[in-house]
Amino acid sequence: GAVVSQHPSWVICKSGTSVKIECRSLDFQATTMFWYRQFPKQSLMLMATSNEGSKATYEQGVEKDKFLINHASLTLSTLTVTSAHPEDSSFYICSARGGVRRNQPQHFGDGTRLSIL
Amino acid sequence: DAKTTQPTSMDCAEGRAANLPCNHSTISGNEYVYWYRQIHSQGPQYIIHGLKNNETNEMASLIITEDRKSSTLILPHATLRDTAVYYCIVRPSRGTGNQFYFGTGTSLTVIP
Repeated sequence: GAVVSQHPSWVICKSGTSVKIECRSLDFQATTMFWYRQFPKQSLMLMATSNEGSKATYEQGVEKDKFLINHASLTLSTLTVTSAHPEDSSFYICSARGGVRRNQPQHFGDGTRLSIL
Repeated sequence: DAKTTQPTSMDCAEGRAANLPCNHSTISGNEYVYWYRQIHSQGPQYIIHGLKNNETNEMASLIITEDRKSSTLILPHATLRDTAVYYCIVRPSRGTGNQFYFGTGTSLTVIP
């Protein structure tokens, strides 16, 4: 089945550092990928929709200058958390829709746990 | 933006069928129902989806009521590894609404 890979699985870094997370679709091309954030004991919150070759679409309340998204190819989207602070510590998850038909499901990566000290 | 309502938690005995309900009373005609589950500290795993007909795959069955206002995910023989949070999501099949908006889901605990 469709596989989405995320890297790294976890990262710990100092406050003020910028962190890049990669999301790859391994066996299919994805013109659209999605980025979510999940805090402990909460549900997934959609942050943005990543569109190959164009600007990402951000959900209301998500700072586009804080969370930079680049979708340079049909198999790779990156999320960069710029000047990360402890409140940015969270579980970040990406997904991609496999196939062309709109009713096909999204497939999720295993997430990146980000801890800012 | 979640359009679904699910019980917060459920228990199920190992080996028995787990029936997880979802209410989506405002569902539109072109919206599919998707089910995912999330095991602790992992990304959501796709289970099944459907429009109006009942669906079955190797993981589960999806029963959608005739008026499509609710559905039930059935895990026929629950195992301890099925303990997870189960999410029911509705999404249009046409238009620009490719996004999934997650509700709070149902935390299923399979008891030995």
